[in-house]
Amino acid sequence: GDSVTQMEGPVTLSEEAFLTINCTYTATGYPSLFWYVQYPGEGLQLLLKATKADDKGSNKGFEATYRKETTSFHLEKGSVQVSDSAVYFCALNRDDKIIFGKGTRLHILP
Amino acid sequence: DAGITQSPRHKVTETGTPVTLRCHQTENHRYMYWYRQDPGHGLRLIHYSYGVKDTDKGEVSDGYSVSRSKTEDFLLTLESATSSQTSVYFCATNRDSGNQPQHFGDGTRLSIL
Repeated sequence: GDSVTQMEGPVTLSEEAFLTINCTYTATGYPSLFWYVQYPGEGLQLLLKATKADDKGSNKGFEATYRKETTSFHLEKGSVQVSDSAVYFCALNRDDKIIFGKGTRLHILP
Repeated sequence: DAGITQSPRHKVTETGTPVTLRCHQTENHRYMYWYRQDPGHGLRLIHYSYGVKDTDKGEVSDGYSVSRSKTEDFLLTLESATSSQTSVYFCATNRDSGNQPQHFGDGTRLSIL
């Protein structure tokens, strides 16, 4: 069945470092792909999305490109801030549902 | 976000007792979902609804039931709570299925002793 695999955390970086969180997926057809972010004590919020191959989603300095050839949707940010500390989830849609990866916890040190 | 309210936000109860969690939305979204979040497992779908009185099972539905008698309310019931159901429960909504993202509530932390 469809699945999402993302790098295990926690990931710890210093402020202003470059961030990459890897995400690969297995799916039939061409699902939409999402990145969600969860701040402490809150629910998930949509960070960005891409609906077809080669689409680039972007928001708040984060970017991810839908790569069909490598079945990947890696999350990147050029310069992280302490406020980016959170858990990040990669996900894909399948029919009426969304399938989530297990999440990657990100710690940014000042 | 999308006017989603979960109640209660925290609950502690004993094994064997019934528990009902409520999700209320004000956006008239058609789809509603219940997830549980556990360390090492991410989010797992329990049940979802695609309209009033229309529900279906997710990947971890055993021990849970749901009801949706109104568009705005989606109830999750644990008929006889067990310690393995200690978790954080999230409700989510979606205007339509397919390419649309889901909107999440702030969660209910449930502890079963």
